Amino acid sequence: EIVLTQSPGTLSLSPGERATLSCRASQSVSSNYLAWYQQKPGQAPRLLIYGASSRATGIPDRFSGSGSGTDFTLTISRLEPEDFAVYYCQQYGNSRGTFGQGTKVEIK
Amino acid sequence: QVQLVQSGAEVKKPGASVKVSCKASGYTFTANFIHWVRQAPGQGLEWMGWINPNTGDTNYEQRFQGRVTMTRDPSITTAYMDLSSLRSDDAAAYYCARGGGFALLYAFDIWGQGTLVTVSS
Repeated sequence: EIVLTQSPGTLSLSPGERATLSCRASQSVSSNYLAWYQQKPGQAPRLLIYGASSRATGIPDRFSGSGSGTDFTLTISRLEPEDFAVYYCQQYGNSRGTFGQGTKVEIK
Repeated sequence: QVQLVQSGAEVKKPGASVKVSCKASGYTFTANFIHWVRQAPGQGLEWMGWINPNTGDTNYEQRFQGRVTMTRDPSITTAYMDLSSLRSDDAAAYYCARGGGFALLYAFDIWGQGTLVTVSS
């Protein structure tokens, strides 16, 4: 079973700053089947990034994903007020989808 | 538009079962897997399993084996998740999500609004 570990647990930043979120896998993630989701309070998650680096439909280009193998990063180049939320990485391998524990991006 | 609409909130007693529905619209129901994900209050996301709406094949996360049953009715484009022998730690929001298939490297691109299940005696 692949375990995903996200860091940091909480990121305190101001609007306009750059956010860098990390997701580390216990084993190599197959074919970059790695996705990132954003979740706001009381809402369902929303797909941001798939295939480690491809933006989903309608996602602003301030969101970018990178990485391969066991180390992945989600970068938000300049935080907008609506970007303060919890972010989850997820891998899909061996027909199973596991999530990291999440990183909360909060207003400093 | 493409959407998944789930059934309403449920209150169940410990030991009971709950069945949550997920109605798909705006796309070909049998073309994409449906996954189920749950989220306990204040906690992270937990994947439970998937169903292939075309064949009815399922794949459950090991910790739910024996308690969860995922089914579907293609005639009404609806998927179901049945969880039995409910415990207090099963209290959570339950989400259905569409698997994006190979084109999206299997990411979950459409989510239902969630169904809150409360377990209380």
